[in-house]
Amino acid sequence: EVQLVESGGGLVQPGGSLRLSCAASGFTFSTAWMNWVRQGPGKGLVWVSRIKRDGSGAIYADSVKGRFTISRDNAKNTVYLQMNSLRAEDTAIYYCARDWYYSTDNWGRGTLVTVSS
Amino acid sequence: EIVMTQTPLSSPVTLGQPASISCRSSQSLVHSDGNTYLSWLQQRPGQPPRLLIYKISNRFSGVPDRFSGSGAGTDFTLMISRVEAEDVGIYYCMQGTQVPYTFGQGTNLEIK
Repeated sequence: EVQLVESGGGLVQPGGSLRLSCAASGFTFSTAWMNWVRQGPGKGLVWVSRIKRDGSGAIYADSVKGRFTISRDNAKNTVYLQMNSLRAEDTAIYYCARDWYYSTDNWGRGTLVTVSS
Repeated sequence: EIVMTQTPLSSPVTLGQPASISCRSSQSLVHSDGNTYLSWLQQRPGQPPRLLIYKISNRFSGVPDRFSGSGAGTDFTLMISRVEAEDVGIYYCMQGTQVPYTFGQGTNLEIK
C-alpha cells in the first residue's frame, strides 16, 4: 500500500523558516516524480513544486520561487520542502503527492503550516 | 499560467440522480506529446484529495464506474451516473499539460 506521511509543520513567525518532510513507502520511491501542493484554510488546492525521480528538474509556483526549495533523498525515501522567508499567505496544509501522468495519484494527509506573529 | 474554471461551484443533487461538473481551461490542454493531461480529484470532508480520473477519461484504480470523464481541447466534464452519499465533497479539475499545474476552484457536491 502506498503511504505518504508529511511532517515538519508548525507555527512560525513571518520571515522564518521551516523544513517539511514527506516519508514514502509501499512503492519504488526512486522511480516517482513528487509534488508539493498546499491548501489554505477553507480554500482550494494550489500546486507548489515538483521534482523528478533523480532530483533534477525542480520547478516552482511563482508565489514561492526563490523562497522554497524542493529536494529528495532516494536512499531515505523522503522528499523535502525547505521554506524560507515565510509570509502569512503561506499558511496552509501542505500535502505531498506522487506524480501520475502529470496529475497526482497518492496524497499524504498533510502537515499544517501557520505563519503568524 | 493556465486558468481552470469550473461550473457550477455548488451542486445540490438527489441521491440516485446523475450529476455533472464542467471545467474549462484558458488554453488548449493538448500536450506536445499528443496527450491531454486533464484530471479530476475528489476531496471528501476532512480528507486529502483522491484521484478519480486522469488523461480526460481514464478511471484511476479502485474508482467506481459511476464516475466518468469526457471532453477535449479546453472543455471537459466529470459525470456521476447515480450519486451516492459517499460522493459528497469537493471536486477539482486539474491540468498537468503545462507547469505550473493548476486546479479549478472546486465544486461542492452536496445532497439535497
